[in-house]
Amino acid sequence: QKEVEQDPGPLSVPEGAIVSLNCTYSNSAFQYFMWYRQYSRKGPELLMYTYSSGNKEDGRFTAQVDKSSKYISLFIRDSQPSDSATYLCAMSAGSGGSNYKLTFGKGTLLTVNP
Amino acid sequence: DGGITQSPKYLFRKEGQNVTLSCEQNLNHDAMYWYRQDPGQGLRLIYYSQIVNDFQKGDIAEGYSVSREKKESFPLTVTSAQKNPTAFYLCASRKGLQFETNEKLFFGSGTQLSVL
Repeated sequence: QKEVEQDPGPLSVPEGAIVSLNCTYSNSAFQYFMWYRQYSRKGPELLMYTYSSGNKEDGRFTAQVDKSSKYISLFIRDSQPSDSATYLCAMSAGSGGSNYKLTFGKGTLLTVNP
Repeated sequence: DGGITQSPKYLFRKEGQNVTLSCEQNLNHDAMYWYRQDPGQGLRLIYYSQIVNDFQKGDIAEGYSVSREKKESFPLTVTSAQKNPTAFYLCASRKGLQFETNEKLFFGSGTQLSVL
């Protein structure tokens, strides 16, 4: 079993739709959870950072972490064509673990159609 | 503007040849990283460095080498021992090594390496 599983998609939605992106993981040491957005042939950029379980909201983006289920989600409200990109989840362990290292999912390719 | 500069954007390697990918940052970051990205794959860590003259192997270091002679520079050499080098290579930097804070990991724009 891979440490981090992410459905690669592709996912295609109409403009204005609510998008749900998800990752599951197997390593219970993970405590720091991130979502990155990567446009084609560019470096990823950090969208959301969450520590432990809970929700975090930033504009149209909401990140959720459920450590009991080892499941994280990113919701995008009122999706725009400019949101079309690959979304990568990433995780890191806490103190005493390998917290120098990010473990990435494979990424989900999202297309928002006008 | 502060940031990370990777060069070249595209690189071609001949059989048996070593090639070096450049990564320079002017963010005054201590930690630097090299990742490899294959189509449909996540990023895999090749090497990382927390401080000048020190670096550590990541998950897929075989066939690669790095140096960290200056804080702002972390070049990656893809050696002839790397039998499947075709990939998108990403350099990244961060103020600190540990991910216990929400300091951003900044990425360069990548180098696409292909084999001739």
